[in-house]
Amino acid sequence: EDKVVQSPLSLVVHEGDTVTLNCSYEVTNFRSLLWYKQEKKAPTFLFMLTSSGIEKKSGRLSSILDKKELFSILNITATQTGDSAVYLCAHYNTNAGKSTFGDGTTLTVKP
Amino acid sequence: DVKVTQSSRYLVKRTGEKVFLECVQDMDHENMFWYRQDPGLGLRLIYFSYDVKMKEKGDIPEGYSVSREKKERFSLILESASTNQTSMYLCASRGQGGQPQHFGDGTRLSIL
Repeated sequence: EDKVVQSPLSLVVHEGDTVTLNCSYEVTNFRSLLWYKQEKKAPTFLFMLTSSGIEKKSGRLSSILDKKELFSILNITATQTGDSAVYLCAHYNTNAGKSTFGDGTTLTVKP
Repeated sequence: DVKVTQSSRYLVKRTGEKVFLECVQDMDHENMFWYRQDPGLGLRLIYFSYDVKMKEKGDIPEGYSVSREKKERFSLILESASTNQTSMYLCASRGQGGQPQHFGDGTRLSIL
């Protein structure tokens, strides 16, 4: 059974800090790793990392995939209060047609 | 933009009632999913469907059933609601292959 573990479970920082969120995985048939951001409502998609795309960047957010060590990190620089959210990591299993989610990291950015 | 619409944001029901949660997507996606989200437990998959009238059990299907009569609509049914089914329920849809899922805003269900 696929397993996705995120750490830390929660994190409190101040505006301007840089944070690194971790996601490790144990899966039978790696296809893609996805990051989502969830504020008060629906999770929204951030990045998808695959064997052919192991590094992604969008503004202050970036993510890398280490297929050898079986983990991914999500980096946020110069954090803002609007970055406060739950960040979810998920592995998509092609054979099963479904995703396995980690428990999420709750990030709180204080002014 | 893909839109996934869940029929209710908040719902309060009584133990033993039959509860229907509705989800509609407007992007002609083949795949639809129902999750529940509880503090400290992340998103857990209840059921999913990869085509009309097709359904697959997820990780925690007990006490739930689903219906997919039309491609755009996926319903979650609590046959006889119990207090341990109080939770946030999220619906999602996804196109073919490994595309990202698109989520609805969730239904916060309370069973009294």
